[in-house]
Amino acid sequence: DTEVTQTPKHLVMGMTNKKSLECEQHMGHRAMYWYKQKAKKPPELMFVYSYEKLSINESVPSRFSPECPNSSLLNLHLHALQPEDSALYLCASRLAGGQETQYFGPGTRLLVL
Amino acid sequence: AQSVSQHNHHVILSEAASLELGCNYSYGGTVNLFWYVQYPGQHLQLLLKYFSGDPLVKGIKGFEAEFIKSKFSFNLRKPSVQWSDTAEYFCAVSGHNNDMRFGAGTRLTVKP
Repeated sequence: DTEVTQTPKHLVMGMTNKKSLECEQHMGHRAMYWYKQKAKKPPELMFVYSYEKLSINESVPSRFSPECPNSSLLNLHLHALQPEDSALYLCASRLAGGQETQYFGPGTRLLVL
Repeated sequence: AQSVSQHNHHVILSEAASLELGCNYSYGGTVNLFWYVQYPGQHLQLLLKYFSGDPLVKGIKGFEAEFIKSKFSFNLRKPSVQWSDTAEYFCAVSGHNNDMRFGAGTRLTVKP
């Protein structure tokens, strides 16, 4: 099973809302990632968790707050977002270590009004 | 700082034509190299990867890539493209600290 699942598939939220994105994998991967992808652009790395600890934060605004409650789950909490935050948010996972394939989820398409 | 450059923004080919997409990287250390494909409306899929060993790697759907260390390149090739290869192609690099950086992408359009 090489599946990374993400919920919800689509999300529309206002600028004052609080919402969360969820990501799950059961491949025993210990590195998990959040990316942001705008239309016709490459995925931009936001956060990396390694063994449930935040190891990389690419200077992401604090209105995005990641959480890794256990080795299978990764959340992204959203609060007070801006319209320019509308994008496809991708989760990925891999066995810890650079020499491993990263598997991507289908993404959550977020629209901020 | 780690970076990835893809030379071609948009490539248009006819079916059966040969394909080569350029990728150059800049990274201070041992790198692992990947090509991902994103078909319209679908999520990223791994085409092939290079970690070590034979610099010519073969992937799915007839794609291959060659790692040339002296040129910091990892170009993607396919001898004969099909209409179904129309997609966005991303080169990516990762290092020892679990990060992964993507190039800007090359949009391939194959005309039937």
